[in-house]
Amino acid sequence: ETGVTQTPRHLVMGMTNKKSLKCEQHLGHNAMYWYKQSAKKPLELMFVYSLEERVENNSVPSRFSPECPNSSHLFLHLHTLQPEDSALYLCASSQDRGRANEQFFGPGTRLTVL
Amino acid sequence: AQKITQTQPGMFVQEKEAVTLDCTYDTSDPSYGLFWYKQPSSGEMIFLIYQGSYDQQNATEGRYSLNFQKARKSANLVISASQLGDSAMYFCAMRFWMDSSYKLIFGSGTRLLVRP
Repeated sequence: ETGVTQTPRHLVMGMTNKKSLKCEQHLGHNAMYWYKQSAKKPLELMFVYSLEERVENNSVPSRFSPECPNSSHLFLHLHTLQPEDSALYLCASSQDRGRANEQFFGPGTRLTVL
Repeated sequence: AQKITQTQPGMFVQEKEAVTLDCTYDTSDPSYGLFWYKQPSSGEMIFLIYQGSYDQQNATEGRYSLNFQKARKSANLVISASQLGDSAMYFCAMRFWMDSSYKLIFGSGTRLLVRP
């Protein structure tokens, strides 16, 4: 595997379900990010982990819970979501000390909440 | 506060012609980076080109070039010789340092459709 992978690619869940999104990066980066992309809205940064420590939480509701067990893996735990949480969830990674700090994105998880 | 603006929700271009996608930004930081990403219908964000705020020359990557006008705070993407595979959403983004890490904010995107 190369780059940034995300599983599952598609997820349909009810409002009472608990599920987790997984992201894995194979680039040796030290920072990982969760973004939410809703229809007709700019990409919204949700969480940032730098060196496995959360450094950003952009007023995200507590029904979204991130976890970064090591520098290569990032999870987003979901529980009691709302239909308006349906969106594309993108994971990205970067090397925070790099010049361009280019973020490499995964293919995303398309989430539908019924 | 940092802000990225893309004013073209959608654009058409004829195959083999050049097209310019607009992006303006706002920041008071002297050090920042500007990125363009392409998002095809598959959803993946693909990095295209980067311009640092201190770079003297405009960035170029193959058919992509970034028209960086610092005084006007614009960073337009120019795609030369458009191809059908260029049809996608294009996002301009700005990187800045805050709270011990780099952040990236995105514009609302421009949907480009290349006509055969």
